[in-house]
Amino acid sequence: DAKTTQPTSMDCAEGRAANLPCNHSTISGNEYVYWYRQIHSQGPQYIIHGLKNNETNEMASLIITEDRKSSTLILPHATLRDTAVYYCIVSFLIYNQGGKLIFGQGTELSVKP
Amino acid sequence: GAGVSQSPRYKVAKRGQDVALRCDPISGHVSLFWYQQALGQGPEFLTYFQNEAQLDKSGLPSDRFFAERPEGSVSTLKIQRTQQEDSAVYLCASSLSLSSYRGGAVGQYFGPGTRLTVT
Repeated sequence: DAKTTQPTSMDCAEGRAANLPCNHSTISGNEYVYWYRQIHSQGPQYIIHGLKNNETNEMASLIITEDRKSSTLILPHATLRDTAVYYCIVSFLIYNQGGKLIFGQGTELSVKP
Repeated sequence: GAGVSQSPRYKVAKRGQDVALRCDPISGHVSLFWYQQALGQGPEFLTYFQNEAQLDKSGLPSDRFFAERPEGSVSTLKIQRTQQEDSAVYLCASSLSLSSYRGGAVGQYFGPGTRLTVT
């Protein structure tokens, strides 16, 4: 079972920031938080990951609470092309598992003009 | 191309037929994963390779499913005697080796998937 809880769906106005929450209250100390998204009829796309510090890349920012029990993915200026299902996943590295991903249902983000 | 490629993109099989799905990972990616995605659901892990070694096959749903990666590059997922419940999108992903991980973790890069329909 997925170790994360996300809202089923969210709307966001084009050009505004999209803030996608995720709860992972049972996360362990060596587990990372990953975010992926899946645009309709495509494979999932890696967005960002973090352990305990906030992270930023060209796609998004990841804010992790100090207790690591929740996080927020921020898309600073959402566009129509950001409409997708967003998955928050916690995972750790084990040599013989290589960091397999356990996907939940994700959040369906609709960016509206 | 620089990404993960999969073929065929679509496959229709009659119940009982065998199918083979191919994955070409990103060059240099040591780790390779297969996932199955049923309609309206998130992807589910099937199996994991590090180079040619299949280190985890705990997600394969039955012994009709078999995966291989004989030279540590291209991988094939084979399904024997297909059943209607095998209808799904089969996704392949690759990632860098453990020794290349930045900060202890790395993302997986997915192909577009193969949509299998069993009639």
